[in-house]
Amino acid sequence: DQQVKQNSPSLSVQEGRISILNCDYTNSMFDYFLWYKKYPAEGPTFLISISSIKDKNEDGRFTVFLNKSAKHLSLHIVPSQPGDSAVYFCAASGFGSSNTGKLIFGQGTTLQVKP
Amino acid sequence: DSGVTQTPKHLITATGQRVTLRCSPRSGDLSVYWYQQSLDQGLQFLIQYYNGEERAKGNILERFSAQQFPDLHSELNLSSLELGDSALYFCASSVPRDSYEQYFGPGTRLTVT
Repeated sequence: DQQVKQNSPSLSVQEGRISILNCDYTNSMFDYFLWYKKYPAEGPTFLISISSIKDKNEDGRFTVFLNKSAKHLSLHIVPSQPGDSAVYFCAASGFGSSNTGKLIFGQGTTLQVKP
Repeated sequence: DSGVTQTPKHLITATGQRVTLRCSPRSGDLSVYWYQQSLDQGLQFLIQYYNGEERAKGNILERFSAQQFPDLHSELNLSSLELGDSALYFCASSVPRDSYEQYFGPGTRLTVT
């Protein structure tokens, strides 16, 4: 049972344009969502996050939108740069009563930004 | 550099063998998480330790075990290795209740032949 899904395995955009990466989840108990970026041969790097009580969080070129009713979140990168080319993972967490912050990851979307 | 270190970076071993992967969390982080990334899958949560105690378990096989030591470094032990155990193993650390963000090490690539 995959609780976090990234349905697009890959995305290709032109430099300077907007990149939109999507993520869906099924568990309404998740209360925090995160995006990680991963380059080959490196560990995932934290990018941006959003609490379930918000619907938008912005950090420079990166904005995450959360639609709780649709159980959907998206990451917008504007403008996209060739250095953004990487695998992007959506992750969800919920401490709940178990007092754990384990992350449930999606399968990842490979973003290619063409010069 | 996340501040999380993992050794070794690469490990090649034969089926049936046992290996130990090591992780040192960021200074001040009490929680350590282990994740496995297989070729055809995303990152799968294995186990979490908080200040020396097991806090949560995920899809961790009985052949696998972990511990966190008083200096907060952690080791993941994999025994009776099978070909399907070949994967990237990541360690992450965080300070629970202060932040949901986890900071990942560079990973250990395990190849079982």
